[in-house]
Amino acid sequence: GIQVEQSPPDLILQEGANSTLRCNFSDSVNNLQWFHQNPWGQLINLFYIPSGTKQNGRLSATTVATERYSLLYISSSQTTDSGVYFCAVAGNFNKFYFGSGTKLNVKP
Amino acid sequence: DGGITQSPKYLFRKEGQNVTLSCEQNLNHDAMYWYRQDPGQGLRLIYYSQIVNDFQKGDIAEGYSVSREKKESFPLTVTSAQKNPTAFYLCASSITTPTGQDEQYFGPGTRLTVT
Repeated sequence: GIQVEQSPPDLILQEGANSTLRCNFSDSVNNLQWFHQNPWGQLINLFYIPSGTKQNGRLSATTVATERYSLLYISSSQTTDSGVYFCAVAGNFNKFYFGSGTKLNVKP
Repeated sequence: DGGITQSPKYLFRKEGQNVTLSCEQNLNHDAMYWYRQDPGQGLRLIYYSQIVNDFQKGDIAEGYSVSREKKESFPLTVTSAQKNPTAFYLCASSITTPTGQDEQYFGPGTRLTVT
């Protein structure tokens, strides 16, 4: 299957700081999503971004499919941004592979 | 209102018992998925179904079974053959985007504890 590596595994920020989360994948993909898992376990869709750049408020994401990586940018972080961020990719048959996540802790 | 529901939220069972986890969606999505998450880990695919009456094994299907008799429902049975069934189980469904790929949405999950 497709190997997905996320970095850093853990990140501690002061409120207001910016951060960049990275997702590398081992094979060509047709599908890439970023999710935020809240403390109750719910996965929230952030971006569907198999290629290109998207922005949603303080969050933006860029996927460079030819170089097999995606970046998630969080600006002016807030305590509510805390949780685990997952990258998920899929190849031709919509079989998804998840990374191990980046655990973010934003301190007030 | 539309969404994906999983029940129950917490489930406790004795070792050796089969248990069925429910997943229902009213989003009219064709595809549905079951994942397992262990503490501090990412999600691993158990089974997925792209259409009614058809499903495929994921990477960790051993000890699990599914059915897809209705578009709205994709129940997962954790059998006594699953060696380490205690985990957080997440169900997802997906909609096909204009480019032909699937965008997944997740239910709230069921925490299963087997003792």
